[in-house]
Amino acid sequence: DAGVTQSPTHLIKTRGQQVTLRCSPKSGHDTVSWYQQALGQGPQFIFQYYEEEERQRGNFPDRFSGHQFPNYSSELNVNALLLGDSALYLCASSFGTVSYEQYFGPGTRLTVT
Amino acid sequence: AQKITQTQPGMFVQEKEAVTLDCTYDTSDQSYGLFWYKQPSSGEMIFLIYQGSYDEQNATEGRYSLNFQKARKSANLVISASQLGDSAMYFCAMREPSTNAGKSTFGDGTTLTVKP
Repeated sequence: DAGVTQSPTHLIKTRGQQVTLRCSPKSGHDTVSWYQQALGQGPQFIFQYYEEEERQRGNFPDRFSGHQFPNYSSELNVNALLLGDSALYLCASSFGTVSYEQYFGPGTRLTVT
Repeated sequence: AQKITQTQPGMFVQEKEAVTLDCTYDTSDQSYGLFWYKQPSSGEMIFLIYQGSYDEQNATEGRYSLNFQKARKSANLVISASQLGDSAMYFCAMREPSTNAGKSTFGDGTTLTVKP
């Protein structure tokens, strides 16, 4: 039973560029949430996708956008990268929108230079 | 707004001993959920334990237990019989009522080091 997978593992981008991160949820899960974790801090909620729609959103600018596909996988897009976007980006999946238990992927480490 | 405070940036414990990691929270909601996660150096967040605000008994999962004191707004994690593999960062988190764990508020974590 595959867990949550994310790609790529590491990424280096230049300020002003755009980046796309990908996430495949755990088998049987249909809800995907994205988090940003800066070094030395706890994860910050970006947004959540269910039934291919953004259901909830944290305090992040519109430069952060996402998408969910019919197979429940998801993408996180960040435009006009800033140095402050350097972080570990975590994807978490769960079943439905009421489940309290969610499983995290290993994350994508984004470095913006 | 919800807030989670973890006041111990780092903790040390001897192997096989018990350790308590502190977590206090602030919310005006009556219904909420509290979580603890473990994050090894690999980066993956591992779910450990969950406590609902209306649960009368403290949650337990194997060597993990959650000391829930609602009046004090604290949700401390107790790890019994520490093992070397328990060395990691530990996060306390809270979720809003009537939503799933997806929109959770996390503390800044406690780094636990288990000494042989």
